[in-house]
Amino acid sequence: NAGVTQTPKFQVLKTGQSMTLQCAQDMNHNSMYWYRQDPGMGLRLIYYSASEGTTDKGEVPNGYNVSRLNKREFSLRLESAAPSQTSVYFCASRGLRVYQYHEQYFGPGTRLTVT
Amino acid sequence: TQLLEQSPQFLSIQEGENLTVYCNSSSVFSSLQWYRQEPGEGPVLLVTVVTGGEVKKLKRLTFQFGDARKDSSLHITAAQPGDTGLYLCAGSNAGNNRKLIWGLGTSLAVNP
Repeated sequence: NAGVTQTPKFQVLKTGQSMTLQCAQDMNHNSMYWYRQDPGMGLRLIYYSASEGTTDKGEVPNGYNVSRLNKREFSLRLESAAPSQTSVYFCASRGLRVYQYHEQYFGPGTRLTVT
Repeated sequence: TQLLEQSPQFLSIQEGENLTVYCNSSSVFSSLQWYRQEPGEGPVLLVTVVTGGEVKKLKRLTFQFGDARKDSSLHITAAQPGDTGLYLCAGSNAGNNRKLIWGLGTSLAVNP
């Protein structure tokens, strides 16, 4: 049981390049999330998916797109990377069990640098 | 806009000391969670509190939810170097239960 996995762990991009961050969970969770974490800014929600086939914008969606490929996988795409997108990106998932109060389970993160 | 303010922002103490960190809001939350994040890793859930006045203990960690469900505290007794990390609080409410409201965290360093 791996929980939430993310690839890659580290990535360096040049301005204007594109890339996709991959996330998968094996907990049969319905909801999945993408966050970015920056010093002094905390965790900010980029996009989330309440269930397979649905996606919604979070606080900071500009410059990103997402795909909920199936129940397990939720990818984040940067179409044209900018230095402002240098950050640590976390994927998280949340189940829907009785007595579960919205706890989220996080992956190990992807450290992205855009030069 | 709901906000969660955490204090202090940074805390550096010696092993064996006690400490309390706070998570405050002017808004009411239906539940509040505490996470710990170690360097280079994602946040890990420590506890969820859901009832006003609730106290939960996790070994040397004591979590309290305020009576009005607007604030919470985390008290660590006899801190150890393994407690070092970023402590985040996050709240949810019945109006939008898919998303959490996050505090900025308290960065704790416990020196041997």
